[in-house]
Amino acid sequence: SAVISQKPSRDICQRGTSLTIQCQVDSQVTMMFWYRQQPGQSLTLIATANQGSEATYESGFVIDKFPISRPNLTFSTLTVSNMSPEDSSIYLCSVTRSRGPEYTEAFFGQGTRLTVV
Amino acid sequence: AQSVTQPDIHITVSEGASLELRCNYSYGATPYLFWYVQSPGQGLQLLLKYFSGDTLVQGIKGFEAEFKRSQSSFNLRKPSVHWSDAAEYFCAVGEDDYKLSFGAGTTVTVRA
Repeated sequence: SAVISQKPSRDICQRGTSLTIQCQVDSQVTMMFWYRQQPGQSLTLIATANQGSEATYESGFVIDKFPISRPNLTFSTLTVSNMSPEDSSIYLCSVTRSRGPEYTEAFFGQGTRLTVV
Repeated sequence: AQSVTQPDIHITVSEGASLELRCNYSYGATPYLFWYVQSPGQGLQLLLKYFSGDTLVQGIKGFEAEFKRSQSSFNLRKPSVHWSDAAEYFCAVGEDDYKLSFGAGTTVTVRA
């Protein structure tokens, strides 16, 4: 398994501002992802955080709105920029640890509950 | 593209009764299948997974799931529900690049 620490756990932000969410893992992992869970909805993948290079974004998500960094194998940040009330969601960090050719499960952080007012 | 369908938005079950949550997926190859549980205010916890082999898989907290290729289903079951099982349950399908596609989720309410 992997122990994932996300900060902050929750925040209330003014529209037009930005918030950076941190994800720290207790050991080196292969893949890191960021998901969004809008109120009453399921999880949607925002992007894959790539170590030392630009993140890979899913359709509907762009780097200007959700810049992501991953400076090493255990840490990543997601910034929600120029926030609007529609950005109010839970943002979750997810990691996998590769075991050679075997497929492995994903582990999730506790999430960051963001409310934009 | 993969898709996951959880037909039941909300299920109410009595404590001690059995529970079955349905999940259907659309994927061309053999899928990697998961069930996660999300309790109020908590992150996601993996209940069980299917990658290959025995189609009946056992998970934590007394849950099990059965993979049926012919029906493209991966239904979750528990013989006797406890009040602490009240939560949101998500079925997910994994791709080769470890991305997950989630179903809409099923909310389980347990009545005394």
